Amino acid sequence: DQQVKQNSPSLSVQEGRISILNCDYTNSMFDYFLWYKKYPAEGPTFLISISSIKDKNEDGRFTVFLNKSAKHLSLHIVPSQPGDSAVYFCAASPMNYGGSQGNLIFGKGTKLSVKP
Amino acid sequence: KAGVTQTPRYLIKTRGQQVTLSCSPISGHRSVSWYQQTPGQGLQFLFEYFSETQRNKGNFPGRFSGRQFSNSRSEMNVSTLELGDSALYLCASSLGRDEQFFGPGTRLTVL
Repeated sequence: DQQVKQNSPSLSVQEGRISILNCDYTNSMFDYFLWYKKYPAEGPTFLISISSIKDKNEDGRFTVFLNKSAKHLSLHIVPSQPGDSAVYFCAASPMNYGGSQGNLIFGKGTKLSVKP
Repeated sequence: KAGVTQTPRYLIKTRGQQVTLSCSPISGHRSVSWYQQTPGQGLQFLFEYFSETQRNKGNFPGRFSGRQFSNSRSEMNVSTLELGDSALYLCASSLGRDEQFFGPGTRLTVL
């Protein structure tokens, strides 16, 4: 049973427009959420994170929104650039004794294509 | 600062064999986690080591094991390989409770 779901396998956006990637989760014990970007033949690269005590976190062109009541988070990229084309993974970290964050639960990813 | 390194990058084995993969974390990072990525299942957590102790374990059979050395380097071992073990194996390191930094992965093919 998938605890972290990214229901859109792919998304195509025009350069300069906003990209919105969505993620839903089922486990209310998740307390930390992260987004990673992955290019082919490379490991995932950390983008941005958000703690469950916040509802928004911003870093340059990237903003993550968290709606705890809906168990939903989204990543906004504004403006989108062709170099943003990659697979984006949403990940969640369950509350663990000792504060370990080693066992991230990943969604299956959304492939973003930004067209010039 | 050097990133997470994994060796080897590519590996071909046959069913029934065993394999050992290696991961060197970012200097100063004490937590090392391992993940398996397959097209059907996505990224799945295998286990995490912190200060030479396994701190968390995912839902994988006992054929998958790991260890961590005093210098934080980690190895994972898969015994009695099956065709379904073909995957990209990713290692990630972190200081503890922060974001993880991933290596490039080891592509394992089981024939």
